[in-house]
Amino acid sequence: TQLLEQSPQFLSIQEGENLTVYCNSSSVFSSLQWYRQEPGEGPVLLVTVVTGGEVKKLKRLTFQFGDARKDSSLHITAAQPGDTGLYLCAGANDYKLSFGAGTTVTVRA
Amino acid sequence: GAVVSQHPSWVICKSGTSVKIECRSLDFQATTMFWYRQFPKQSLMLMATSNEGSKATYEQGVEKDKFLINHASLTLSTLTVTSAHPEDSSFYICSALDFSSTDTQYFGPGTRLTVL
Repeated sequence: TQLLEQSPQFLSIQEGENLTVYCNSSSVFSSLQWYRQEPGEGPVLLVTVVTGGEVKKLKRLTFQFGDARKDSSLHITAAQPGDTGLYLCAGANDYKLSFGAGTTVTVRA
Repeated sequence: GAVVSQHPSWVICKSGTSVKIECRSLDFQATTMFWYRQFPKQSLMLMATSNEGSKATYEQGVEKDKFLINHASLTLSTLTVTSAHPEDSSFYICSALDFSSTDTQYFGPGTRLTVL
């Protein structure tokens, strides 16, 4: 059983469209991290959110951490083919990470 | 960001043999490293926490005698899969915790193990 539930599991959109990925849990985390993973490679950290209600922007990516620090969302504006990949959220407690199942995003040119 | 390397990047072995995978933090010291396993189309599952100079801590359901972990220096942790079987075939990923950088975990590129 995954501690963190990600939705949707798969997302296929046209270049230029927006997308949102959700990460929900019944547990509270000290921080929540978002990663992107390419096939055959390790995950690469995109952002860490720590404070409840926090919003972080990274170019076209916007990350939100819920007020109760149990859920988070990743929003991509004007998606590009280079955004294609597996997006993983991970909750941290005592330095240990619990990963969600991941959302596979495909952006068609 | 900090760099973590893994060696080898892929390995194919016969059933019953042992395989060692190395994880190195290249530009920072890591007293704590983590080992994950990822099956196709699935997420990362934490196997164990590797602590420099002490025994590793294994997650529930992970056999410590099968997956031997050694963290002999501040930059190197090794995972040895002993008497490997086809069901051990997986993508093994390590991460290193950089306490000097807001406690961020940096991940290695992964090692693809195929057991015939």
